[in-house]
Amino acid sequence: AQSVTQPDIHITVSEGASLELRCNYSYGATPYLFWYVQSPGQGLQLLLKYFSGDTLVQGIKGFEAEFKRSQSSFNLRKPSVHWSDAAEYFCAVGANFGNEKLTFGTGTRLTIIP
Amino acid sequence: GAGVSQTPSNKVTEKGKYVELRCDPISGHTALYWYRQSLGQGPEFLIYFQGTGAADDSGLPNDRFFAVRPEGSVSTLKIQRTERGDSAVYLCASSPRLAGVTDTQYFGPGTRLTVL
Repeated sequence: AQSVTQPDIHITVSEGASLELRCNYSYGATPYLFWYVQSPGQGLQLLLKYFSGDTLVQGIKGFEAEFKRSQSSFNLRKPSVHWSDAAEYFCAVGANFGNEKLTFGTGTRLTIIP
Repeated sequence: GAGVSQTPSNKVTEKGKYVELRCDPISGHTALYWYRQSLGQGPEFLIYFQGTGAADDSGLPNDRFFAVRPEGSVSTLKIQRTERGDSAVYLCASSPRLAGVTDTQYFGPGTRLTVL
């Protein structure tokens, strides 16, 4: 069965600082990987996804993520955060065939301080 | 274009009552998913439809939960004899995926269910 671990429950960074949110997955084959962001009272918005090809993936709002098979990781990065990036971030894994469901991590809450 | 919509946005009910939650997917999306998000947790899969049929209902917690999608578009999640533990945000997502192809899921804003 697939699973996702987001080791950091809460992260606080200063506005303008760089950000890295960790995600480790467990899956028997090459996974499909996603990062979603959820602002208070909002639905989940897709930031980026990895299906195949280039392991460095660019997303919206200046985010990127790198798939590292050897480490079973898909960490999310942003070089300079903005106050509007404060939200909950979820990493998710999906099978690359058959099984359609996404398995989500427990999320990382990001707080931005001035 | 219009995204996934869910109604109601909030639902408060009493223990033992029956509730229905509605999801309108993005037009033309063939796949529809229901997830449940408890406080402080990530979304957990409940059920997935491809067209009108439930392709995977392995996430439904028990037989009090049921979902339908009779015309391959709108879906309704039905919960009988609600319990306090059913309180959560119920999320719906849709995807344009064709059979055999994994694709991105687009989420609605959710329905917050509170069982008193």
